[in-house]
Amino acid sequence: GNSVTQMEGPVTLSEEAFLTINCTYTATGYPSLFWYVQYPGEGLQLLLKATKADDKGSNKGFEATYRKETTSFHLEKGSVQVSDSAVYFCALPLNTGFQKLVFGTGTRLLVSP
Amino acid sequence: DAGVIQSPRHEVTEMGQEVTLRCKPISGHDYLFWYRQTMMRGLELLIYFNNNVPIDDSGMPEDRFSAKMPNASFSTLKIQPSEPRDSAVYFCASSSGPNSPLHFGNGTRLTVT
Repeated sequence: GNSVTQMEGPVTLSEEAFLTINCTYTATGYPSLFWYVQYPGEGLQLLLKATKADDKGSNKGFEATYRKETTSFHLEKGSVQVSDSAVYFCALPLNTGFQKLVFGTGTRLLVSP
Repeated sequence: DAGVIQSPRHEVTEMGQEVTLRCKPISGHDYLFWYRQTMMRGLELLIYFNNNVPIDDSGMPEDRFSAKMPNASFSTLKIQPSEPRDSAVYFCASSSGPNSPLHFGNGTRLTVT
């Protein structure tokens, strides 16, 4: 089945710094790709998604581009805030059909004032 | 929209006891998922339902685990007997279709002593 690998954390940044969290995938075909975010004490919530190659997903200032050449879906934000401190998960369907999502190990982001 | 509701938020029990976790999905969502999150193994899909029918339970760790969905608005995950290695955060999630994002509850933190 498909799989995803993301960079280990924690990533520690100062407020207004630039953020990149790396995610690479192994997949048959071109499945949809997702970033989920988990704030302390909460469940995961969808941050953004891209459904085909070269698509760019964006939300709340975060962006990620579906790059088939490098099999990557890196998460970026130009200026992080303290409120962005959370754990970020890259995900994709295990196989054809969306139902079973495979999640990366998660990357913890800590933003200090 | 109240979101996915899980209960209890925290459960502490002794080894050998029965534990029941509860989930109310978002109204109208046809898919329901149970995930387990641990530091060592990350997020693991245990089982998912479509229209109240279990579709894939290949992630259920062993016979001590069972899940039911008696109607569209309620699901349970039962562990009997519980063991310390079952300690984790258990998430329920629902979605409205095969190409729709997952909506997670806030989880149940289970501690088995």
